[in-house]
Amino acid sequence: DVKVTQSSRYLVKRTGEKVFLECVQDMDHENMFWYRQDPGLGLRLIYFSYDVKMKEKGDIPEGYSVSREKKERFSLILESASTNQTSMYLCASSLDRSYSYEQYFGPGTRLTVT
Amino acid sequence: AQRVTQPEKLLSVFKGAPVELKCNYSYSGSPELFWYVQYSRQRLQLLLRHISRESIKGFTADLNKGETSFHLKKPFAQEEDSAMYYCALSDNNAGNMLTFGGGTRLMVKP
Repeated sequence: DVKVTQSSRYLVKRTGEKVFLECVQDMDHENMFWYRQDPGLGLRLIYFSYDVKMKEKGDIPEGYSVSREKKERFSLILESASTNQTSMYLCASSLDRSYSYEQYFGPGTRLTVT
Repeated sequence: AQRVTQPEKLLSVFKGAPVELKCNYSYSGSPELFWYVQYSRQRLQLLLRHISRESIKGFTADLNKGETSFHLKKPFAQEEDSAMYYCALSDNNAGNMLTFGGGTRLMVKP
């Protein structure tokens, strides 16, 4: 079974703090993704990565950055958290760049910025 | 740019009734469409994909290119089908990126 784990299920941070969300997958997948999930808006792609040290902007990258130093780990960074970044964050991975491959999701991190 | 629309935020049916969750898309190429499901307190997971032409948990979905739709159907809803359903489109020019619809919450009442 593919396992995608996220470092925290719940996180509360203050406005202006730097926030790190960690994601690890154990199936040697090439692709990794970060989404945010908001009611009525579905999932929106923040960033994704095809390979170590590679990153591509998704639909809503503003206010976020990412790091992929190892194949199994993909970190999402909020440089200066703001209240409009309060959301559920989902990490996903997939085998490779073929467009037909299934994405496997982590359990999510619910971030609250006060 | 591609877009996926799920017009219903909430769909409520009685157990045993037919269910249709609507999904429409806009995409200029040849899309691959998926349905993902998220049950309460579980992670998002793939339900089915159009190229497989399979029935999963009694659900089917047919890609209608003329109407640009990929509606999810089940003839007899069960209470355990209650969940959040997302339609998603994969861009074959953008390497496994998925564009998701806004989601439909299905509630199956006893």
